[in-house]
Amino acid sequence: DIQMTQSPSSLSASVGDRVTITCRASQGFADALAWYQQKGGNAPRRLIYAASTLQTGVPSRFSGSGSGTEFTLTISDLQPEDFATYYCLQHFDYPWTFGQGTKVEVK
Amino acid sequence: QVQLQQWGAGLVKPSETLSVTCGVFGGSLTGYYWTWIRQAPGKGLEWIGEINYGGNTKYNPSLKSRVSISVDRAQNQFSLNLTSVTAADTAVYFCARISRSVPYTWGQGTLVVVSS
Repeated sequence: DIQMTQSPSSLSASVGDRVTITCRASQGFADALAWYQQKGGNAPRRLIYAASTLQTGVPSRFSGSGSGTEFTLTISDLQPEDFATYYCLQHFDYPWTFGQGTKVEVK
Repeated sequence: QVQLQQWGAGLVKPSETLSVTCGVFGGSLTGYYWTWIRQAPGKGLEWIGEINYGGNTKYNPSLKSRVSISVDRAQNQFSLNLTSVTAADTAVYFCARISRSVPYTWGQGTLVVVSS
């Protein structure tokens, strides 16, 4: 299985901050990676697919980058509605695996 | 716009079979892959498996001997069965439609508690 190590597991930030979340894969691949946002027990919302393609309707302050074994989600100007938990998902190989999640909390 | 609606028993006894169904509304099963993902209380997301319209499946090896996913084309729905459940299978189970290779449209989630 490809292990996805996501960091940090949590972070405290303020509105307007720039936030960066990283997922490191145990083996490399090009761009078979997506990022999700989850609030409470609701279903996750897809933010980014193909490592860097912004999902339609998602604010442009969200961006994804990376390839190989390191991928990054950046929120450039944190807004109140962005406080949530974020997950990466690799779909390069079965079984698909998620990162452990990053909880973005109010500082 | 396609919507997914889930239903299933919320309480299952240990050693019994967990079953959750996902109905597809406003769209068709045809041409898409469909997946199940679960989330134990306070934990992260775990991919369970996927199925396509033709019934071809992929499962997580960690569950492979106990899991089955099936489609019902007539009812436009797909289902998850997990046998021999234990407390470790207590989770919210989500169904989702795969688009652009990864889950995009999700069901509302079904909490299944395994307890006697």
